[in-house]
Amino acid sequence: SQTIHQWPATLVQPVGSPLSLECTVEGTSNPNLYWYRQAAGRGLQLLFYSVGIGQISSEVPQNLSASRPQDRQFILSSKKLLLSDSGFYLCAWSQESSGNTIYFGEGSWLTVV
Amino acid sequence: QQQVKQSPQSLIVQKGGIPIINCAYENTAFDYFPWYQQFPGKGPALLIAIRPDVSEKKEGRFTISFNKSAKQFSLHIMDSQPGDSATYFCAAGTGGYQKVTFGTGTKLQVIP
Repeated sequence: SQTIHQWPATLVQPVGSPLSLECTVEGTSNPNLYWYRQAAGRGLQLLFYSVGIGQISSEVPQNLSASRPQDRQFILSSKKLLLSDSGFYLCAWSQESSGNTIYFGEGSWLTVV
Repeated sequence: QQQVKQSPQSLIVQKGGIPIINCAYENTAFDYFPWYQQFPGKGPALLIAIRPDVSEKKEGRFTISFNKSAKQFSLHIMDSQPGDSATYFCAAGTGGYQKVTFGTGTKLQVIP
């Protein structure tokens, strides 16, 4: 069966510090990968999606970037965090061939102070 | 045109009641309509999904009703339980393309 791992689960970072959130998917190959952000009490905002290694599409211009160095690895980064980057970040995946069902990881709580 | 509008924002029902969450869309190209359930501090999990060739789908106590002509779909939770207290998201997607548009969520509280 497929599983998705995301880490760290929580982190508190000062303004201006870098960020790296990592996500890996097991049990499938060539998945579509996503990063979402969920602000407190808000909906799900798609930040980035990737259909293959090195292929990244950005949905919202922002202070963040994403990379996909391996087929099942997706990384969310920032060089300098802003207070507004605080939120709940969710990595997700879907199978290339079976349509739109998206499976989410457990999420990472980021607080920028 | 990519929006999915969800209501209400929050909902409180007593145990055994039938909460109803509604969603509406504009893009007629949407052909996949999932619902997700999210507990606090957790990622959303797929609950049930429907395609527009059917008007209703049931899985256990959860039912999706779909009205293609009105471009609306809704989630009903029969015999609701306190354990159903969570945030529910509707969503819509198009076949062959991997992006899914989510509603803004409904926070449901089922009181004993």
